Amino acid sequence: DVKVTQSSRYLVKRTGEKVFLECVQDMDHENMFWYRQDPGLGLRLIYFSYDVKMKEKGDIPEGYSVSREKKERFSLILESASTNQTSMYLCASSSGAAPSYNEQFFGPGTRLTVL
Amino acid sequence: AQTVTQSQPEMSVQEAETVTLSCTYDTSESDYYLFWYKQPPSRQMILVIRQEAYKQQNATENRFSVNFQKAAKSFSLKISDSQLGDAAMYFCAYRALAQGGKLIFGQGTELSVKP
Repeated sequence: DVKVTQSSRYLVKRTGEKVFLECVQDMDHENMFWYRQDPGLGLRLIYFSYDVKMKEKGDIPEGYSVSREKKERFSLILESASTNQTSMYLCASSSGAAPSYNEQFFGPGTRLTVL
Repeated sequence: AQTVTQSQPEMSVQEAETVTLSCTYDTSESDYYLFWYKQPPSRQMILVIRQEAYKQQNATENRFSVNFQKAAKSFSLKISDSQLGDAAMYFCAYRALAQGGKLIFGQGTELSVKP
């Protein structure tokens, strides 16, 4: 079974703190994604990566950055957390390359609260 | 820009009955995939069913089936013989072949199942 794990289920941070959300997958997937999930808005793509050291902006990248130094790990960084970044963050991974991408597998999510 | 709309924030069904969740999408692409994902309470999101746009036949997975109307850009999910374990948030999602592995999600429909 594919396993996507996220470093924390719940996280509470202060405004202005630097926040790291970690995601690890164990199936050698090429592609990894970070989404945020908000009520009434569904999931929105923040950043994604098709390979190590590669990153591409999603639909809402402002205020976030990412790092992918190893194939299995994809980190989301909030350089200076703000209250409007309070949300559920979901990581996903998939195998495949253009144009055939396979199913995305999701992690359990990190519920981040910024005070 | 592609969009996905789920107009039913909440739905309810009696156990053993059938329920249909609605989804519409907007795209100018001709090659794309559509998905339904299920997110049970406090559990990871999983893929329920997928549909390739070039296929006229509606996809079916056990008690789950879709009604894909390409001209109307409609993609509804039918759950037959509903079970208590079907209670979850359901997300409709879209992926265009030309857009790589990126998924665009709808707002979600929260389904409750009454015993």
